[in-house]
Amino acid sequence: GQQVMQIPQYQHVQEGEDFTTYCNSSTTLSNIQWYKQRPGGHPVFLIQLVKSGEVKKQKRLTFQFGEAKKNSSLHITATQTTDVGTYFCAGNTGTASKLTFGTGTRLQVTL
Amino acid sequence: NAGVTQTPKFQVLKTGQSMTLQCAQDMNHEYMSWYRQDPGMGLRLIHYSVGAGITDQGEVPNGYNVSRSTTEDFPLRLLSAAPSQTSVYFCASGRRGSGGTGELFFGEGSRLTVL
Repeated sequence: GQQVMQIPQYQHVQEGEDFTTYCNSSTTLSNIQWYKQRPGGHPVFLIQLVKSGEVKKQKRLTFQFGEAKKNSSLHITATQTTDVGTYFCAGNTGTASKLTFGTGTRLQVTL
Repeated sequence: NAGVTQTPKFQVLKTGQSMTLQCAQDMNHEYMSWYRQDPGMGLRLIHYSVGAGITDQGEVPNGYNVSRSTTEDFPLRLLSAAPSQTSVYFCASGRRGSGGTGELFFGEGSRLTVL
């Protein structure tokens, strides 16, 4: 079945440093989504990428979808303590309604 | 709008007991799903539904049953709870698009402990 892996599993940065998490799928994706889950909370949608090579920005967050539509990345510039949480990617394959989540990257930011 | 509502928020069961986790959404979403979240495992899909009367299995369906009699409700049933089902359960709903499932809206989660 489809597998979606994320690296790193955990990253600890100091406030102001940059952070990147990578997402890799075993199969070609029709689209990829990113979610953020604060400690003790539920996942919250951040963005969806659909086109090959697509890049989208949300303030300090930059999302990329790979040319082969099998990988994606999320980059945070100048992290803040409010960025703390676990970031998940999630992919759809074709018209299937199964949204498969990655294993997540937990980000810790300290002053 | 309430969004996605899950009940109960916390539950402790003994091995072999049965229970139902309730999920309701008021956004008229076609798609509803149940995930379980375990440390280091991410979110794993249990069952999902693309509309009333239609359900299908996800990655980890064993030990769970679902039904979708209305657009709004998607209950998850544990017929005979096992310690391996100790987890946090999330219900999510969303609209379907041409490329699959769109943005998912999650409930606040239900923490289940099976002794």
